[in-house]
Formats: sequence, structure tokens, C-alpha cells
Amino acid sequence: QKEVEQNSGPLSVPEGAIASLNCTYSDRGSQSFFWYRQYSGKSPELIMFIYSNGDKEDGRFTAQLNKASQYVSLLIRDSQPSDSATYLCAPLNTGFQKLVFGTGTRLLVSP
Amino acid sequence: DAGVTQSPTHLIKTRGQQVTLRCSPKSGHDTVSWYQQALGQGPQFIFQYYEEEERQRGNFPDRFSGHQFPNYSSELNVNALLLGDSALYLCASSLTTRQVYGMDFGPGTRLTVT
Repeated sequence: QKEVEQNSGPLSVPEGAIASLNCTYSDRGSQSFFWYRQYSGKSPELIMFIYSNGDKEDGRFTAQLNKASQYVSLLIRDSQPSDSATYLCAPLNTGFQKLVFGTGTRLLVSP
Repeated sequence: DAGVTQSPTHLIKTRGQQVTLRCSPKSGHDTVSWYQQALGQGPQFIFQYYEEEERQRGNFPDRFSGHQFPNYSSELNVNALLLGDSALYLCASSLTTRQVYGMDFGPGTRLTVT
């Protein structure tokens, strides 16, 4: 079992729609969870982090965490073509103090 | 306020050679982590430096080594380069007491081994 699993996609959504990105993780010691956006050829950019069960909203982005199910998701409302990128899920195990990345989900938003 | 910087941007080396990559953390950050990202994959943790010592290491061979300087900057050294070492090497910095709030990544160094 991989430490972090994401559907590699591509996930295709039309402009203005909601994009839903999902991630499961295996390490129950993970305490914070990060979503990074990575454009092709660029480095990851932090979008959001969440460490409490439930929802956390920031503008068009909502992160959802369910530690019992070891599941974290990212919703992007009113998707824009500029949101087209790879989205990386990364739990942080504070005991080991490292981010463990999934392979990422490629999102394509069509005009 | 400068973010994380890395040098060089691109590098081409021949199999068997050695390479040194450099990273300056974001102002105020004291911890540097290095990641390797192969094409189509997520970043893989190499190691982390704090207080000039390697604090944590991923599943990478001893050919990969590093150093952190008193000013918190860091170097990644790779010896006896293999074709499979071709990747984007990412440096991430953080404040060790606030890692739960995330790490900032530099622009990366694209290493090509021929």
C-alpha cells in the first residue's frame, strides 16, 4: 500500500464547475495535511493546509479532512483554466517532520 | 522578503560525475529539506537539515549527501551520478517550530545526467 494515494487523472472539468480532488493516506501519525499546486516545469506552491477534522475554506478552495477514514480532499469552486495544474497531497508526520507526497492529480479546466 | 532560492537552475552532467546543488532558505527559516522529483512523480524526500545536522533521511543511497551552514543555507551533493538521478531537485525551507503550517519550495534545479 502506498503511503499517499491520489488518482493521477487527468480530471477534466468545464470552466465554472467544481473540481473535487481526493487523497488517502496510510500513516495515522500524520497530523497536518497540505495541498500543493504544481504547474508543469515549476515547483510546488502551497495552496492550503488543514489539521483538524472537518472543512476549511479559503476563497474558492475548501479542504476536507477525515482522520478516521484517513481521507483528505480539495474542492475548487468556479474552476478557471488557470487552475489547470497537478495537485499534490502531502501529509506531514510531525514525528518524522517530513512531507510525504502522492503522485498528484492532474486537473484540466476547459474554457 | 526573498523566498527560497536555488542554484543552478539547470545542470547537465555525465554519468559517473559529481554534482553540488545549493539552496538558500526563506528569511527566518531554519530547516532545509531536499526532495527529488522524477518526471510524472511526486517529490520524494531525500533528507532534512536542522542546526547543521541531518535530522531525517529518506530511502536514498549514501551517494546523496548534504550539508547545512551556520547561515542555514544548504548543499546537496550527489556522487557517481547515474542516469536515474536525472530529476528536478527541490529545496524546501521551514521554521522547525512551525512545520505544521507548511514548507516553502524553491524553484528547483533540473539535473540531466547523460
